Amino acid sequence: EAQVTQNPRYLITVTGKKLTVTCSQNMNHEYMSWYRQDPGLGLRQIYYSMNVEVTDKGDVPEGYKVSRKEKRNFPLILESPSPNQTSLYFCASSFDREYQPQHFGDGTRLSIL
Amino acid sequence: GDSVTQMEGPVTLSEEAFLTINCTYTATGYPSLFWYVQYPGEGLQLLLKATKADDKGSNKGFEATYRKETTSFHLEKGSVQVSDSAVYFCALSDLGTDGGFKTIFGAGTRLFVKA
Repeated sequence: EAQVTQNPRYLITVTGKKLTVTCSQNMNHEYMSWYRQDPGLGLRQIYYSMNVEVTDKGDVPEGYKVSRKEKRNFPLILESPSPNQTSLYFCASSFDREYQPQHFGDGTRLSIL
Repeated sequence: GDSVTQMEGPVTLSEEAFLTINCTYTATGYPSLFWYVQYPGEGLQLLLKATKADDKGSNKGFEATYRKETTSFHLEKGSVQVSDSAVYFCALSDLGTDGGFKTIFGAGTRLFVKA
């Protein structure tokens, strides 16, 4: 079954404690991206990757890092989380020729206290 | 920069009513346009898309036509069901100034359908 898997689904943590949200897809997609969803703002793109070792900033990259060492994985790293990063996060992937996100994970709800 | 504006919700309809959710966009290039649906507790699912002017995207009874002259991509369905209750997002994908593709989402419109 085609899947984008995010972990964890829920996390409550404290300001400044580094965390990583993992994302893995089993469809051999080249394009992967991270979004955050906030009420009234829709989804905003944080980072995207068009292939292994190629990553680019989206619209709201401040405070986040990503890496793409393997095609299937695209982790989101918060080196020093702050309360304004409390949000619902989605990872997505798509085929190389169609860069709009086609498959989304089920989301990770982060609460930074 | 590029942007997407969609009607505020929530939209509440009775079963079998006609649905329209308005979406307009601004873009510097020639974007592709999309509608996504998000059911409670789930990620977004691509519902339909249109890649050029006058294209009509359709899926599961939903339709939307890419209107370049009015920069619009309104979502319609002739007869909604309770199972259509969800949040609907309009989005565009365009080539960014850095050479990469970016997808811009609207704020979402929540639809409630009553039996």
